[in-house]
Amino acid sequence: NAGVTQTPKFQVLKTGQSMTLQCAQDMNHEYMSWYRQDPGMGLRLIHYSVGAGITDQGEVPNGYNVSRSTTEDFPLRLLSAAPSQTSVYFCASSSWTSGRGRADTQYFGPGTRLTVL
Amino acid sequence: DAKTTQPPSMDCAEGRAANLPCNHSTISGNEYVYWYRQIHSQGPQYIIHGLKNNETNEMASLIITEDRKSSTLILPHATLRDTAVYYCIENAGGTSYGKLTFGQGTILTVHP
Repeated sequence: NAGVTQTPKFQVLKTGQSMTLQCAQDMNHEYMSWYRQDPGMGLRLIHYSVGAGITDQGEVPNGYNVSRSTTEDFPLRLLSAAPSQTSVYFCASSSWTSGRGRADTQYFGPGTRLTVL
Repeated sequence: DAKTTQPPSMDCAEGRAANLPCNHSTISGNEYVYWYRQIHSQGPQYIIHGLKNNETNEMASLIITEDRKSSTLILPHATLRDTAVYYCIENAGGTSYGKLTFGQGTILTVHP
């Protein structure tokens, strides 16, 4: 299994540009989510999905859109990039039915480092 | 904001046990304590979790006090590769499933 993969690894955008960060998992996990991590800070939840066709907002959703058309993929769209969106973006996935019942064991991808000029 | 309190940094000698404390004095009865770590700019990695009993797996041990207001993550024989930021997180699952609140964690530095 490749686990959780994210592309691209690095991206530089100009203010106002749009782009999509890709996230895919091959573990058949129902739950997927996006976090951002600013320098020296912990991770903050942007959007999440509990299954194909279902998405919801996290703590910091403004400026981002998501969709979940398949179990495997959960892309994050930046509609009009702003310098405040300069951050490292992590995608995570997990199974509702993991072996420990309610265990919240998230599997994280390697991250996408985004700079908005 | 994170509901747990951790020291900002700790040091440990290679081969010794690393004991990382976490204070969660307002934890609810249905909230688990989770530990994740983040090795230099990589994605966080799950380590262990527990509710009220002590837990052990191949990576670490988790000791939770009887009143559940604090816990300690133990890496029994720390190696240089254990140098990372360690996060202690409360989560009740259910409607909070997946909504992990990461604080600033403890930077553990393992020295040769």
